[in-house]
Amino acid sequence: DQQVKQNSPSLSVQEGRISILNCDYTNSMFDYFLWYKKYPAEGPTFLISISSIKDKNEDGRFTVFLNKSAKHLSLHIVPSQPGDSAVYFCAASGNEGGSQGNLIFGKGTKLSVKP
Amino acid sequence: ETGVTQSPTHLIKTRGQQVTLRCSSQSGHNTVSWYQQALGQGPQFIFQYYREEENGRGNFPPRFSGLQFPNYSSELNVNALELDDSALYLCASSLKAGGYTDTQYFGPGTRLTVL
Repeated sequence: DQQVKQNSPSLSVQEGRISILNCDYTNSMFDYFLWYKKYPAEGPTFLISISSIKDKNEDGRFTVFLNKSAKHLSLHIVPSQPGDSAVYFCAASGNEGGSQGNLIFGKGTKLSVKP
Repeated sequence: ETGVTQSPTHLIKTRGQQVTLRCSSQSGHNTVSWYQQALGQGPQFIFQYYREEENGRGNFPPRFSGLQFPNYSSELNVNALELDDSALYLCASSLKAGGYTDTQYFGPGTRLTVL
């Protein structure tokens, strides 16, 4: 049973517009959430994270929102750039008081940003 | 500061054989985690090593084993290879201190094909 779900396998966005990637989780013990992006033939690259004590974290063009009651998080990229085209993975961790233990990943969403 | 490196990049084995994959952690990191990423899936946690001891294990059989060395480099060994072991194997290093584990940084992965 998947504990972290990314229900959209792909997303296409025009350059300059907002990209919104969604992630749902089922395990209420998760207390730390991360987004990684992955280019072909490379390992996942850490993008941004959020602890369950927050509902928003921002880093430049990237913002992650967490809705604990809905067990939902989203990654917003504004403005989107062609270089953002990659597979984005949502990951969750828990039972370590905000620390990262074993990461549970979703299946990923492939983002394509068109010029 | 060097990042996480893995070797080899690609490997082809036949069913029943054994394989050893290697990982060098990022400088200053004392924890290494291994993940298996099958095609179209997110990375799946295999196990984690902290100070040369196994520190958590996912749902993988005992024929998946590991080692962490005093310099924090690591090996993943898989015995009696099966066709389903074909995947991208990712190593991630992090710093665990005071009971908390920092962000996991991934290497480029080793692509294993079992024929």
